[in-house]
Formats: sequence, structure tokens, C-alpha cells
Amino acid sequence: GAGVSQSPSNKVTEKGKDVELRCDPISGHTALYWYRQSLGQGLEFLIYFQGNSAPDKSGLPSDRFSAERTGGSVSTLTIQRTQQEDSAVYLCASSSSPGSTWDTQYFGPGTRLTVL
Amino acid sequence: KQEVTQIPAALSVPEGENLVLNCSFTDSAIYNLQWFRQDPGKGLTSLLLIQSSQREQTSGRLNASLDKSSGRSTLYIAASQPGDSATYLCAVNQAGTALIFGKGTTLSVSS
Repeated sequence: GAGVSQSPSNKVTEKGKDVELRCDPISGHTALYWYRQSLGQGLEFLIYFQGNSAPDKSGLPSDRFSAERTGGSVSTLTIQRTQQEDSAVYLCASSSSPGSTWDTQYFGPGTRLTVL
Repeated sequence: KQEVTQIPAALSVPEGENLVLNCSFTDSAIYNLQWFRQDPGKGLTSLLLIQSSQREQTSGRLNASLDKSSGRSTLYIAASQPGDSATYLCAVNQAGTALIFGKGTTLSVSS
């Protein structure tokens, strides 16, 4: 079946502009995660959605970052007033059994964001 | 705060060698540990998941072990091939939600 998909695959924007990144999780997966991978840095958690519960936003680096998940499926990560330090690969993952010891997260191909 | 460390950061081996990648974590209270592979410019591919109650998992030429009490995991790759060249990432799931990643080991296998 289809895996996690993300769009666009690449995004180049000018400093100060807003961007929206999209994630389409695996069908039936209740949990959705956003991570960021910066050059020279490891992968860092941004935000987590599980069903209808309030999202865990503890990883968002600033209030310029926000995300929503509509209808328990597709998610959009929005970065307002982009800065050069926002340049990174943004990865989305989904899973079916969050909170269990056997839960596997499946990752999309990522969106490479470049802020000029 | 959980910290995940991977050693070495980079590794070059000739084809056919058996090799071991190391991962250590500071807090042993984990749900599970996952090993991923990342090819340049690509997303992550899950290789193996070891639950907190398990000691090892095997898939083909890959074997991952977990010693929770000492905070260590190893990924053993048998008979390495050039196609194994990639970055290998270790990640722990501590709270049943987000993964905490190491910075990875970049493997290069020469023919």
C-alpha cells in the first residue's frame, strides 16, 4: 500500500515569507509526527498528533511554527516569517499503535526547505 | 533528559566485512529502540525495532541487540555490500510518542 507522502519535495522561499508543508500519512494510522533535520544536527521532534487529542507541541522551536491535522488524516506544518535558520529537511512520520512497545514509525521522503 | 549517541560517526569498510554500529542512551526507561537507514536526499527506512522486553531482532543480514540496563544497542551487518552504504540512525521511544535520535553513523562499503 501507499506509504507516507509529503509535498512539496523541495521548497525555496525568501526570508520573511510564510510556507506550508503537507503530509499525507498511511491510511488508518492514528498518530502523526513532524521532525526536522538540519545540516549538522540530528533529527529533532517538532509536534505529535494522536487521534482527536490535543497535539503535543513541545518540540516547536518558536511561535512562528504551527501545525494542524484535519479530519484525522492530512497534516499541514506552517512556518510564518521564515528565517534562514529554518532551512532544513522536514520529515513526517505516522504510526498505528502509539504508546505500545511495538509501535513502528514510518517516515515520508521529506520536504527540503531552503530560505534565502 | 534522554540523550542518544552513535559511534563511530563514519565508517569505511571493504565489501564482505562484518561490522558493528554502536548506539548508547542515557535513560534506560524506554518503550523500544529503532534502527533506521537513510540514503542521501531520502527519508528514513525502518530496519529493525526492538521492544523494551526483547534482547535482539534479526532481519536478513542485520541483527540488532538491546541491553537496556547498560543503555546500549548494536547493529550487526554481516557480509557487507556496496548497497549497504548509507547513514544508519538509532532512535529510542521513551514516552510512547516522539523518537529521540542519535546523529547517525555514515557507512561506506567499497567494492
